[in-house]
Amino acid sequence: GDSVTQMEGPVTLSEEAFLTINCTYTATGYPSLFWYVQYPGEGLQLLLKATKADDKGSNKGFEATYRKETTSFHLEKGSVQVSDSAVYFCALREWNTGNQFYFGTGTSLTVIP
Amino acid sequence: EAGVAQSPRYKIIEKRQSVAFWCNPISGHATLYWYQQILGQGPKLLIQFQNNGVVDDSQLPKDRFSAERLKGVDSTLKIQPAKLEDSAVYLCASSSSLSPETQYFGPGTRLLVL
Repeated sequence: GDSVTQMEGPVTLSEEAFLTINCTYTATGYPSLFWYVQYPGEGLQLLLKATKADDKGSNKGFEATYRKETTSFHLEKGSVQVSDSAVYFCALREWNTGNQFYFGTGTSLTVIP
Repeated sequence: EAGVAQSPRYKIIEKRQSVAFWCNPISGHATLYWYQQILGQGPKLLIQFQNNGVVDDSQLPKDRFSAERLKGVDSTLKIQPAKLEDSAVYLCASSSSLSPETQYFGPGTRLLVL
């Protein structure tokens, strides 16, 4: 079945460091891929998405490229800020399996000044 | 635009008791989702509604969980009777027909079963 695997956390970085959070997926067809972010005390928010292979999603300095050959959608940011501290979830949605969203387990990021 | 509203925000009950959660989606959003998020895990879909019809409830434990969206707007999720393993955050989300891939989440209801 469909599934998403993300790198284990927690991740702690210094401000202005480079961030990579790995995400790989298993799907039977051609899913859309997403990154959601959950700031402390808030609900999940869509951060970025990509709907087909080689698409790059970007938002707030974060980027992720849909790589079909490696079934990956790694999240990157060149220079993190304290305000980026949150839990990040990778997710997929595949239209030919009922449109259900599948989420990874989440990666907690803490950025220290 | 108002976001997805959920209530209550927190609930503590004893096992075998009943509990109900309420969700009001963003106005005009046809699709409504209920997720269960256990601590340290990602959200797991329990049920998905399209207007007032059920699209997917394959992961809903139907012996104890029920959900309805009678008028195609707000929705209620009920657990009866609750078990210890039901302790989790229950998230409601909605999406529009124009942009079905983009879900908007509510703040969640944190349930603790003692």
